[in-house]
Amino acid sequence: VQLVESGGGLVRPGGSLRLACEVSGFSFSSYDMAWVRQAPGKGLEWLSYIGGTRPTKWYADSARGRFTISRDNDKNSLFLQLNRLSGDDTAFYYCARVGVTMVPGGIFSHYFDQWGQGTLVTVSS
Amino acid sequence: SYVLTQPPSVSVAPGQTATISCGGDNIGGKSVHWYQQKPGQAPVLVVYDDSARPSGIPERFSGSNAAVDTATLTITGVEAGDEATYYCQVLDSKRDQLVFGGGTKLTVL
Repeated sequence: VQLVESGGGLVRPGGSLRLACEVSGFSFSSYDMAWVRQAPGKGLEWLSYIGGTRPTKWYADSARGRFTISRDNDKNSLFLQLNRLSGDDTAFYYCARVGVTMVPGGIFSHYFDQWGQGTLVTVSS
Repeated sequence: SYVLTQPPSVSVAPGQTATISCGGDNIGGKSVHWYQQKPGQAPVLVVYDDSARPSGIPERFSGSNAAVDTATLTITGVEAGDEATYYCQVLDSKRDQLVFGGGTKLTVL
């Protein structure tokens, strides 16, 4: 299993970037996927989730309205469009495969069972 | 929004047992997952669904979620290589949000 992010770099405040995550070693279309970021020296922050076979998309409050998650199952790729960036968006951005299980009680659980190495987005003038 | 609270740091001597807590409102009704992150590396899943271990994770890592408001990651026989930051995570199904705790830095003395 491999997840390889790309598309990070230096961008000016107010600018945009499109991150990509190319995966291999598993049936991409069968899995839900997500983006998680980590600002330098800070904790993990979930940003967005997309269903594998279902057209479901979730967003964290910090991402909703500015970031857009998408996927191309034919190209085994996950994307995150970042718009209206600010210094607070400076972080490593990780793509992650989502494991989904149903536990006793009918509860669905979602966890990140495979991670890429991340791509750094720096927002600065 | 749903909040997960972890202690910022935990210290333990080699060979001893480390216990890392993760507090949240009625967390006992949720499924809790734990990640290990070493400096400069991506996180690694060490426990999922409260107490299950992914393939390749040593039995020294275990989880429980029996209390109403606190879940726990336990590492027995701590080794120097276990020094890392550990994060808990749940699904807030009411808001379709995936939530991380703030992380706990484990120091092996």
